[in-house]
Amino acid sequence: GAVVSQHPSWVICKSGTSVKIECRSLDFQATTMFWYRQFPKQSLMLMATSNEGSKATYEQGVEKDKFLINHASLTLSTLTVTSAHPEDSSFYICSALSPAGARVYEQFFGPGTRLTVL
Amino acid sequence: AQKITQTQPGMFVQEKEAVTLDCTYDTSDPSYGLFWYKQPSSGEMIFLIYQGSYDQQNATEGRYSLNFQKARKSANLVISASQLGDSAMYFCAMREGSRIIFGKGTRLHILP
Repeated sequence: GAVVSQHPSWVICKSGTSVKIECRSLDFQATTMFWYRQFPKQSLMLMATSNEGSKATYEQGVEKDKFLINHASLTLSTLTVTSAHPEDSSFYICSALSPAGARVYEQFFGPGTRLTVL
Repeated sequence: AQKITQTQPGMFVQEKEAVTLDCTYDTSDPSYGLFWYKQPSSGEMIFLIYQGSYDQQNATEGRYSLNFQKARKSANLVISASQLGDSAMYFCAMREGSRIIFGKGTRLHILP
């Protein structure tokens, strides 16, 4: 299957700083990527859909100015948590939509990034 | 309104037994897809199985099968001959348009 990487795998930062998380599709071009957050023992919550070359589509209740998404190329999407606060501490997971012509509509998930804001 | 419902927050099953994880969904779109993912404690999401709304037969992938009952809007996951390594969180998910929405998950514990 296709491989998606995330960097960093974990990050600890001080309150008020900004953190950038990268999501890369390693062996295929992904025109669409998704960003999720997951609190401990809870489900994945879709934050936004990232389309290459256009603005991201945010889910209701997600602050677009807080969570900046950039999908500058067909293999890279970034999520920047601006002015992070302790309540932003979470597990952030990206996924990339299967390439055109794939057998099924499938998302390939990155390994996740654990963000801790002190 | 919740689109994906998993009513079993946790399950304990004896090793080698079969286990059924429940999932019901709600959509008015005639074209949709249903997924099951496994999330071990490491956090990675592992794709298990997919069922398209127009697929005539229930999907199977090795020990995993999806019991798709379209009229009841249910898509239960059946794991045959459970193994200790099956202990994990399991999420049912549904594709609606370009988005995939997840249920709250079921934590499965396999007992030796």
